[in-house]
Order: sequence, then C-alpha cells, then structure tokens
Amino acid sequence: GQQVMQIPQYQHVQEGEDFTTYCNSSTTLSNIQWYKQRPGGHPVFLIQLVKSGEVKKQKRLTFQFGEAKKNSSLHITATQTTDVGTYFCAEPNNNDMRFGAGTRLTVKP
Amino acid sequence: DGGITQSPKYLFRKEGQNVTLSCEQNLNHDAMYWYRQDPGQGLRLIYYSQIVNDFQKGDIAEGYSVSREKKESFPLTVTSAQKNPTAFYLCASTIQGRGEQFFGPGTRLTVL
Repeated sequence: GQQVMQIPQYQHVQEGEDFTTYCNSSTTLSNIQWYKQRPGGHPVFLIQLVKSGEVKKQKRLTFQFGEAKKNSSLHITATQTTDVGTYFCAEPNNNDMRFGAGTRLTVKP
Repeated sequence: DGGITQSPKYLFRKEGQNVTLSCEQNLNHDAMYWYRQDPGQGLRLIYYSQIVNDFQKGDIAEGYSVSREKKESFPLTVTSAQKNPTAFYLCASTIQGRGEQFFGPGTRLTVL
C-alpha cells in the first residue's frame, strides 16, 4: 500500500534552533496528519492538512502541504526542551492509516 | 471523562503463552485500530475494525487475533505463534470518515 517516507530519522538541536521534518509520497495524498509522541508516551494528534498548498500554524509550529499534495513538512521555530519527542506524519489509506517512520527530536538546553 | 483506556500498562508473560491486551473507548467511535511500536521505530498496523463484528488485517497480523463484539471494546490477543511479541502496543480509535486518531496510553508487553 501507500507509504509516506519521512526524513530525517533523528535530529538533535540546540535549544533555540529551528527544526524541520519532511514527509514525501510517490502518490497524491487526500490529506495528511501530524502527530507528536513524547518519550514514553503515546501519539497525540497535532493537525490535519487537506488542501493543496495549505499552511497552518500553531504557535511555533508551521505545517505545510505541498502544491501537488505529495509532500508535507513540519517546522518548529526556536525549539524548546518541551518540543522533545518523535513527530510522525500519517496518511489515510482506504480505511486505515499509514504512519511515517517518524523523526525523533532531541533538544539540548 | 471520554477517552481510550488500555490495560495493563506493563505486562510480562512467559514464552509460549497467549496474552490478551485490553482496549476500551467511550468516545462512541466506530473505528478502532491496533498498532505495534518497536524501540525507536514507527507504528505498524496489526488489525483494524470499522464496525462491530468486522475487522481487517493490517500489515503485521500474523500471530495476532482480535474481536469486536462491542463498539466500545477491541481486545488484541498475542498468540504463541507471534515470533517476537515484545513491543509497545497502542490502540487507537476514530470517528468513521474523520481520520483523526485518538490513542490509548499503550501496553508494554515483555515476553520472557
């Protein structure tokens, strides 16, 4: 089935630096969702993007959906230690959901 | 207080034993899912169910079984046929057609 490829696998930043994770698909996506999983926790829904070229912001987080609806990105401005965790993109596939492998973010104070 | 509950949080079993993981939701969601997560890895779909008394295999269904006798409940049995059962198991639910998934806290299964 469809799969989204997510990069990078790991990202280590100094607090205050920016962070970006990318998801790419070989096929057009109907929509894409983003989740955050804190260490030891469970994934929590962040946002869903539906429209081509859509950009949504949540405080320091900016989510983009590509014009061709084949890629998406999550950008965090001025990371904080509370941003630590793994960020997953996910795309609906018929009646189920397919998750990217995730990007694990660590932030050095 | 609406949500998804999974029990127990930690579970230890001896090799060769079947074990059933509980997942209950009071969100009135139609669809429920089971995922497996290995250390440092993403989520892999085991089984999902869109309605009561119906379920479909995901990518890694071998060695697992499920039932959906009630809308609120979707238990997962890890059988002795599962060759490497030690993992973190996550249950999720969603309103049919909406897509946003709500996850339970997960069960960490260790097979000794």
